Amino acid sequence: KQEVTQIPAALSVPEGENLVLNCSFTDSAIYNLQWFRQDPGKGLTSLLLIQSSQREQTSGRLNASLDKSSGRSTLYIAASQPGDSATYLCAVSGGGTSYGKLTFGQGTILTVHP
Amino acid sequence: GAVVSQHPSWVICKSGTSVKIECRSLDFQATTMFWYRQFPKQSLMLMATSNEGSKATYEQGVEKDKFLINHASLTLSTLTVTSAHPEDSSFYICSASPTLAGAYEQYFGPGTRLTVT
Repeated sequence: KQEVTQIPAALSVPEGENLVLNCSFTDSAIYNLQWFRQDPGKGLTSLLLIQSSQREQTSGRLNASLDKSSGRSTLYIAASQPGDSATYLCAVSGGGTSYGKLTFGQGTILTVHP
Repeated sequence: GAVVSQHPSWVICKSGTSVKIECRSLDFQATTMFWYRQFPKQSLMLMATSNEGSKATYEQGVEKDKFLINHASLTLSTLTVTSAHPEDSSFYICSASPTLAGAYEQYFGPGTRLTVT
């Protein structure tokens, strides 16, 4: 059974800092990995999707890397802003019988203070 | 593009009644739709997967007779919580994918907050 772990559970940083969120998964037979953002009481916003054959994806100040063999992904946020405050979720889509199903981590609650 | 809506956004119902939640893909045809549940301060847990015109596939531990899922068209899936109880109070989120089994990106709805009193 796939398990996804995110570290740290919570992070508080001053505005302007670069930061790294970590995600690990137990079964490396994944189809893809996604990073999402969730604001309190809201749905999910997809930030980046990395296919299993890719090593990284970038969008603006966000960069996500994937090391499938070691079961790890990192989300790098450059020059953080207060508007980045949210919960960040990592999810993997498994292969085989788990094809297409997303398994989510518990999330990292990020607070960026002015 | 790739917008998914849910209705209602929040609902309060009395214990023992049934509640229907709609999930619509507004600008694409969704071959597959997924239903998730999120308890406070917890992550999303997949409840079931539905393909248009087929019976939903439920995850282990999810009661199919309690959570009725219908995926009648390529743009609409519904989740009906039957005989709701306070422990069913949760945030329900759907996602839709234009491909079978969500092989590519899933697009998420804004969620529905269900409170059972």
